[in-house]
Amino acid sequence: EPEVTQTPSHQVTQMGQEVILRCVPISNHLYFYWYRQILGQKVEFLVSFYNNEISEKSEIFDDQFSVERPDGSNFTLKIRSTKLEDSAMYFCASSEIRGDSNQPQHFGDGTRLSIL
Amino acid sequence: AQSVAQPEDQVNVAEGNPLTVKCTYSVSGNPYLFWYVQYPNRGLQFLLKYITGDNLVKGSYGFEAEFNKSQTSFHLKKPSALVSDSALYFCAVRGSNFGNEKLTFGTGTRLTIIP
Repeated sequence: EPEVTQTPSHQVTQMGQEVILRCVPISNHLYFYWYRQILGQKVEFLVSFYNNEISEKSEIFDDQFSVERPDGSNFTLKIRSTKLEDSAMYFCASSEIRGDSNQPQHFGDGTRLSIL
Repeated sequence: AQSVAQPEDQVNVAEGNPLTVKCTYSVSGNPYLFWYVQYPNRGLQFLLKYITGDNLVKGSYGFEAEFNKSQTSFHLKKPSALVSDSALYFCAVRGSNFGNEKLTFGTGTRLTIIP
């Protein structure tokens, strides 16, 4: 069964450094998402992306965050200058068609980001 | 704003007994409801969804969920629990309006099946 894959599984970064988290969505999916889960807390929506542009973002997704689909397969989340509170598990997800609510979002195994 | 409540942080059930994991929601318009399961060091795995139609929906691994509009609930159920069902379960909701794709999750319920 096709899967969403995320790399790396664990990223350790010094505060203030830039970090890029990578995702390969399921190949025929067109709608992409990033969520995060701070340890012990619930999963929170960050951003959704369709047709090469952001379609929705949360208040967490400030100017320090950006997303990109640099080629036909990868979907990346960049944090420009990391803060301690960015430490969390970051999940990428994808779904088949925008507006087709019958299709669930499929999640990757996540990248654990630790900011020192 | 949409929200989900999972009132139980932890549910313990003896193997072979029926299980229920509770979820209530709030959303504008018709809800689209989902259950996901998370095993240790893994991502969220889709179990089942309610979009429209029958209030009782069936999903993976013998799980089912009952949509109750008047009580704004979507409880997850299984007639006979297995030890392998032990995991963290998340309920999620999104609105039905076009362009609202984000899922809002509950805080999760840790299900432990006791042999």
